[in-house]
Amino acid sequence: QKEVEQNSGPLSVPEGAIASLNCTYSDRGSQSFFWYRQYSGKSPELIMSIYSNGDKEDGRFTAQLNKASQYVSLLIRDSQPSDSATYLCAGAIIQGAQKLVFGQGTRLTINP
Amino acid sequence: GAVVSQHPSWVICKSGTSVKIECRSLDFQATTMFWYRQFPKQSLMLMATSNEGSKATYEQGVEKDKFLINHASLTLSTLTVTSAHPEDSSFYICSARRVIPNTGELFFGEGSRLTVL
Repeated sequence: QKEVEQNSGPLSVPEGAIASLNCTYSDRGSQSFFWYRQYSGKSPELIMSIYSNGDKEDGRFTAQLNKASQYVSLLIRDSQPSDSATYLCAGAIIQGAQKLVFGQGTRLTINP
Repeated sequence: GAVVSQHPSWVICKSGTSVKIECRSLDFQATTMFWYRQFPKQSLMLMATSNEGSKATYEQGVEKDKFLINHASLTLSTLTVTSAHPEDSSFYICSARRVIPNTGELFFGEGSRLTVL
C-alpha cells in the first residue's frame, strides 16, 4: 500500500463548478498535509496546508482533514480554466527529517 | 520570501558524462534539502535527503554512488548525476525546508530537466 494515495484521474469539471480532490494516507503518525498544484513542465507550488481535523478555507480553496478516516480533500469552488493542472497531495512523515511523501497526483481539467 | 533557485533549468548531455545541478535557498537557511525526480506523467519520487554538513540519506533503490549529493552550506545543495545514461533523463526538483519558522512545508526550486543522449 502506498503511503499517500490519490485518484490519478483525469477529472473533468465544468467552469464555475466545484472540483473535489481526494487523498488517503496510511501512516497514522502523519501530522501535516499539503496540497500542491503543478502545471505541466513546472515544479509544484503550495496551495494549502492543513494540520488539524476539520476544514480550512483560503479563497476559493478549502482543505479538509479527517485523521480518524485518514482522509484529506481539497475543494475548489468556482473552478476556472486556469485551475487546470495536476494536484499533488503530500503528507509529512515524522521520521527524522520529516520528509514529504507525495501521492501520484490527480490531473484536473476545467472545461470552459 | 522562501525562494529556492535551481540551476541549470535544463541540460542536455552525452551518455557517460556527469552533470551537476545546484539548489540554492535565496532568502532563508535550510539545514535540510530534498531531491526529487519526476518522470513524465508520474508523481515526485524522493531520491535523497540532503543534510548540511553530513552525508545525504538516500531512499531505497537510489544509487548513492551515481547520484552524488553535497550540502556544503546552509543555502546550497548540489546533485551530481555521474556517468549519465538515457534512462537518467528526467525532471529533477529540489526543495528546502525553512528552519525558522518551520511550518513543515517545502519550498520547491524551478526544476532541472535533464536529457541524456
